[in-house]
Amino acid sequence: GAGVSQTPSNKVTEKGKYVELRCDPISGHTALYWYRQSLGQGPEFLIYFQGTGAADDSGLPNDRFFAVRPEGSVSTLKIQRTERGDSAVYLCASSPQGQDYGYTFGSGTRLTVV
Amino acid sequence: GQNIDQPTEMTATEGAIVQINCTYQTSGFNGLFWYQQHAGEAPTFLSYNVLDGLEEKGRFSSFLSRSKGYSYLLLKELQMKDSASYLCAGLLTGGGNKLTFGTGTQLKVEL
Repeated sequence: GAGVSQTPSNKVTEKGKYVELRCDPISGHTALYWYRQSLGQGPEFLIYFQGTGAADDSGLPNDRFFAVRPEGSVSTLKIQRTERGDSAVYLCASSPQGQDYGYTFGSGTRLTVV
Repeated sequence: GQNIDQPTEMTATEGAIVQINCTYQTSGFNGLFWYQQHAGEAPTFLSYNVLDGLEEKGRFSSFLSRSKGYSYLLLKELQMKDSASYLCAGLLTGGGNKLTFGTGTQLKVEL
């Protein structure tokens, strides 16, 4: 597609539930990133894919968070047993391999855990 | 780690010039980005500096001094639509393309 697409744009869930957030990157972009942004803060790195594999998952806060990218395109961020502290905007970004002039963010999914 | 520091808020007048500063720890540093983020929207790329000096792009310019761990974003001929958060982000060596962001500087442009 023309840009990075994230669905849903908003998600409200109850504490303890499981959620999946989807990211559809720009066609042909090999690198895909997930960030989380809390109100008044800058984006915080979660995980980075190069192709199908997670090249760096050091930002995932704990084992309730998991992400996949099985065919090297669409990625899903999965959060188990959600907690109120997980409430944030989850941003996805993609870039061509080797690009050094910034990547393109999607509009994000606003997750609210009640 | 990579601590990125920038002012929380700034206010400027339409038509004026404003400079937003950013400091960072130099260890492991491999480049510095500036992003603009309007409320409720995704960050959009503004500039990237990897070498010392000034990069100019229309009304926006970005400066980097690697030895001082210092960068600034300069916005000229301010317009009301420039009211937004400006995020400074460092790129680390060996970190793929992973960015470490500051908390952002909220710029308010007034008449």
